[in-house]
Amino acid sequence: SYEVTQPVSVSVALGQTARITCGGNSIGSKNVHWYQQKPGQAPVLVIYRDVYRPSGIPERFSASNSGNTATLTISGVQAGDEADYYCQTWDSSTTRVFGGGTRLTV
Amino acid sequence: QVRLQESGPGLMRPSETLSLTCSVSGGSISSYYWSWIRQSPGKGLEWIGYIYFSGNTFYNPSLKSRVTISVDTSKNQFSLKMSSVTAADTAVYYCARDSTGVDEFDIWGQGTMVTVSS
Repeated sequence: SYEVTQPVSVSVALGQTARITCGGNSIGSKNVHWYQQKPGQAPVLVIYRDVYRPSGIPERFSASNSGNTATLTISGVQAGDEADYYCQTWDSSTTRVFGGGTRLTV
Repeated sequence: QVRLQESGPGLMRPSETLSLTCSVSGGSISSYYWSWIRQSPGKGLEWIGYIYFSGNTFYNPSLKSRVTISVDTSKNQFSLKMSSVTAADTAVYYCARDSTGVDEFDIWGQGTMVTVSS
């Protein structure tokens, strides 16, 4: 079965750049999507199909996907960005698969 | 603006069948895929399955034997049934609009907590 791996936690200072990785075998050949989840709330899509931002998501959120690693980058981190972030992709063996999530601490 | 709202029992006994409904407002259920996703307390997200508005379904292989998803286009709703629940099925259950059946979930409901306990 296909698995994707995320770091459990990432810490960043206010105003700096946070990078959250999502590792998987040849993940660069798959579409990767990213979700932000704040405590007690449903996940919110922040990046879809590797690099696209839904309407309403700040330009500070960007992403890339190549080789065995997809990366979500948050520039100029704000206090309100503190949340759990999940990557998600698709594989023929496991269908939809989510990473375990990364807690971003600002 | 499309909104999704889950409804169902909050507490269940082991071996019972879970039934949840997702009501779609602000838009038509037609021409989209619709998924169920769950999140166990303190854990990550697990995709359960999807239904296309026409009725075609696809399930997570790990849950396939216990899950049925159906759609009622006249009511703009879709539903989840999960049989023989155990404590391991305790989770927040989310319904979500599914862009293509293999890609992103672009709109989520607020989620409903289901607890399985004797």
